[in-house]
Amino acid sequence: DAKTTQPTSMDCAEGRAANLPCNHSTISGNEYVYWYRQIHSQGPQYIIHGLKNNETNEMASLIITEDRKSSTLILPHATLRDTAVYYCIVPYSGGGADGLTFGKGTHLIIQP
Amino acid sequence: KAGVTQTPRYLIKTRGQQVTLSCSPISGHRSVSWYQQTPGQGLQFLFEYFSETQRNKGNFPGRFSGRQFSNSRSEMNVSTLELGDSALYLCASSLGGWREENIQYFGAGTRLSVL
Repeated sequence: DAKTTQPTSMDCAEGRAANLPCNHSTISGNEYVYWYRQIHSQGPQYIIHGLKNNETNEMASLIITEDRKSSTLILPHATLRDTAVYYCIVPYSGGGADGLTFGKGTHLIIQP
Repeated sequence: KAGVTQTPRYLIKTRGQQVTLSCSPISGHRSVSWYQQTPGQGLQFLFEYFSETQRNKGNFPGRFSGRQFSNSRSEMNVSTLELGDSALYLCASSLGGWREENIQYFGAGTRLSVL
């Protein structure tokens, strides 16, 4: 898997936009970037994914830089329920055998 | 439609015993992956099954095994349990496999405690 680097933790005020960065400088041209989150002791939840273009869905927006070496997940109006560990993942698409590598992720804490 | 279902949700076993965990994927999904999550090691990939065949395997000892049935339901077995096997075991299903543009949907997990 392409290696990803995320900050260990971040705080955000409730109602504000939460911007979570991820570096994936070794990403190759055909690899997608996926974001998942995990609320304590629950299974990870898919949020969004993208290849080159920015993406938006009902949960979040994903901004990918033009060189694709980094991306930012944006939760536009964070609520207390968004407190979770957020994982940025770049699965290997060339025949690797490691499944999804989750890393440590970013622990996002939404403050009231 | 129904999500990924894992049973049982909680399990307590003693060292040396074996355990079987079950996962029912989302209808129509052919790929099932298993993960182990511990506080020290985080989420680690165990193996993936696709159309009843193990397609990928993580770095776990042979005590960890699995299988997939023709209806895509999957079971994971751990033999000769050790204290270090205490973990949350997660199952994820997807239409194809993680290599393609496929979203993995996770179950709530089975919490295994080995005493």
